Amino acid sequence: DGGITQSPKYLFRKEGQNVTLSCEQNLNHDAMYWYRQDPGQGLRLIYYSQIVNDFQKGDIAEGYSVSREKKESFPLTVTSAQKNPTAFYLCASSMGRENSPLHFGNGTRLTVT
Amino acid sequence: GQNIDQPTEMTATEGAIVQINCTYQTSGFNGLFWYQQHAGEAPTFLSYNVLDGLEEKGRFSSFLSRSKGYSYLLLKELQMKDSASYLCAVMDSNYQLIWGAGTKLIIKP
Repeated sequence: DGGITQSPKYLFRKEGQNVTLSCEQNLNHDAMYWYRQDPGQGLRLIYYSQIVNDFQKGDIAEGYSVSREKKESFPLTVTSAQKNPTAFYLCASSMGRENSPLHFGNGTRLTVT
Repeated sequence: GQNIDQPTEMTATEGAIVQINCTYQTSGFNGLFWYQQHAGEAPTFLSYNVLDGLEEKGRFSSFLSRSKGYSYLLLKELQMKDSASYLCAVMDSNYQLIWGAGTKLIIKP
C-alpha cells in the first residue's frame, strides 16, 4: 500500500538538543511539505520541496532545517534555535499540481523540556 | 492579511445533518479544500472546490461561493465516527495553502 510514514510517533528531547523527524513516502509524489500544528491554530508551513535537491522556506522556517536528497525522503531537523519546538509535526506529499490534495503522515508529537 | 474563519466547535446528534461554515479572505483564490482529522491522526482529504456550486460525495457535500468568500461542508446521516476536526484550506494566488484552525465536531448519541 502506498503511503507516507512519519517516525517516531512521540519524541522527547531536552532543550538545547537538535532532533530529526523522519518522513518517507512511496507515492511517487514530487512535492513534500512539513507543517506544524498547534492547538487553536491552522497548520503552518515550515518548509516544502517540489523536486529533489531543492526546497523552500515556508512561513515559519526559523530554527528548522530540511534536506531532499531522495524523492522519497524529506527529513526535518528541529534545531536548538527554535524557540518553541514542542508541537505536533505533520509531513505531507502531493503530486504538485494546484488541485492535488495533500496526503499526510500520522504525525510526530515532539516534546522538548 | 490572509484569514480563514471557521467555528471552533460544533455539536450534533447521531443521524442528523450538520453544516460547517468557512469564510475566507485571501490574496487570490485557486481552490478550497476540506480535510477531516481525527484526534492525534493525519488529516485526510474530503473535497476540493474551485468553481461555485455544490460538490456531492456520498454523505458529505461541499459548497463554494467565490463572490462571498464562503464555503460550507455538509455532513448528512451523522455517525459517531464523524466526530473529528474539519479543516478548511484555501489556495491563494501563489498556490500556497492557507489553513483555518479547524472545527471540532462532537457527535452525541
